[in-house]
Order: sequence, then structure tokens, then C-alpha cells
Amino acid sequence: GIQVEQSPPDLILQEGANSTLRCNFSDSVNNLQWFHQNPWGQLINLFYIPSGTKQNGRLSATTVATERYSLLYISSSQTTDSGVYFCAAPGSWGGNTPLVFGKGTRLSVIA
Amino acid sequence: EPEVTQTPSHQVTQMGQEVILRCVPISNHLYFYWYRQILGQKVEFLVSFYNNEISEKSEIFDDQFSVERPDGSNFTLKIRSTKLEDSAMYFCASGVLAGNEQFFGPGTRLTVL
Repeated sequence: GIQVEQSPPDLILQEGANSTLRCNFSDSVNNLQWFHQNPWGQLINLFYIPSGTKQNGRLSATTVATERYSLLYISSSQTTDSGVYFCAAPGSWGGNTPLVFGKGTRLSVIA
Repeated sequence: EPEVTQTPSHQVTQMGQEVILRCVPISNHLYFYWYRQILGQKVEFLVSFYNNEISEKSEIFDDQFSVERPDGSNFTLKIRSTKLEDSAMYFCASGVLAGNEQFFGPGTRLTVL
């Protein structure tokens, strides 16, 4: 099945700094999702981005499907951005296939 | 905006007891999933459900687990006899189309003592 790798595993930022989180996947995908897990453990959907670029406020994401990676950009980071960021892709192409998650990037934003 | 809801948010149970975790998927969604996350680890797939039957299940989803859609709105995960290692965050998800975006609920934190 597909392998999903995220980097870096940990990231510490000063408030106001920008960052880029990376997600590599081992096979072609028709779906790629980014999530933020907040300190209470809730998974918040950030982006559904099988290809191209999307933006939502200070966050944006780009997926280059042909090169099997996706990037999550966080600009002007705030302490509320802290938590773990996961990317996930379907385990196989087509069908009712479950998502395979990466191990996540733990982000700490310091005031 | 419609969202997936889960109850309870936190459940504490004794080892060997049965627990039922409940989910209300988004109303027009047809595909349903359960995932779990042991503390500090990544999210893992348990089971998917479509057209009132299991589509796929992982090796984690053994005979202790079962899923049900008892009515038109609820989707439940039952653990028949809980073990210490079942302590985890359990997430329900739903989707309109197979392979497309999945929408996750806030999770139920299960603690087995």
C-alpha cells in the first residue's frame, strides 16, 4: 500500500514566522487531505487538495501529484496554530479506500 | 455547515466491559469510516462501511469490534470486551463519494482502566 511520509517531525516557530510542511507519498493519488490536530485531540479538516493550490486565510496548500508531494504553508504563525499537522492519502486508487496518514509534524508556536 | 458529530467526547470504562461509540455522519453522505489514534501515534484505519455492510477492515478490527448503522442517521462502533490497549482516540468519518474527501468528527477519547 501507499506510504505517506511527513517532514519535519517537529518544528518550533516564533510567533509571526512562516513555515512549510512537507508530505511525500509513494504512489499516485486522487485525494490528499491536510488536517490539524488541536491540543484537545480534535482533527480539523484543513484542505482537500488532490492537485493544484488552495488558500484559506494564512494557510495554503499545494499538491504536485506528478511528483508525489504536497506542501502546507503557514504564514504569520500564531500560538493557536500549535498542534500536530497530518496529511493523508487513499491507500489505493479508486473504490471506497481508507485514508493512510503520515506520522505528522508537531508544530509549536512560541509567543 | 454540516459536520460529523460523535458522542461521548470521553468515555472511561473498566477492562472487559462493552462500549458503544456513536457517530452521526453528515446527512447526505454514503460512506462511513472509523479510525483510531493511540496517544502520540498516527491515525490508523479500522473499518469502512457502505450500503449497510463493511467494505474493508484492517487487521486491528478483530472479532471484538463491530459496526452498525441502526437507523438512518447513527453509525456506531462497538467494542465487545475492552482491553487496556483499546485506549485511544476514535474518529468517525464520512464521505459523499468513494475515494473523495472524508470529513472527520471531533473524536471520542476512550480510556480503559
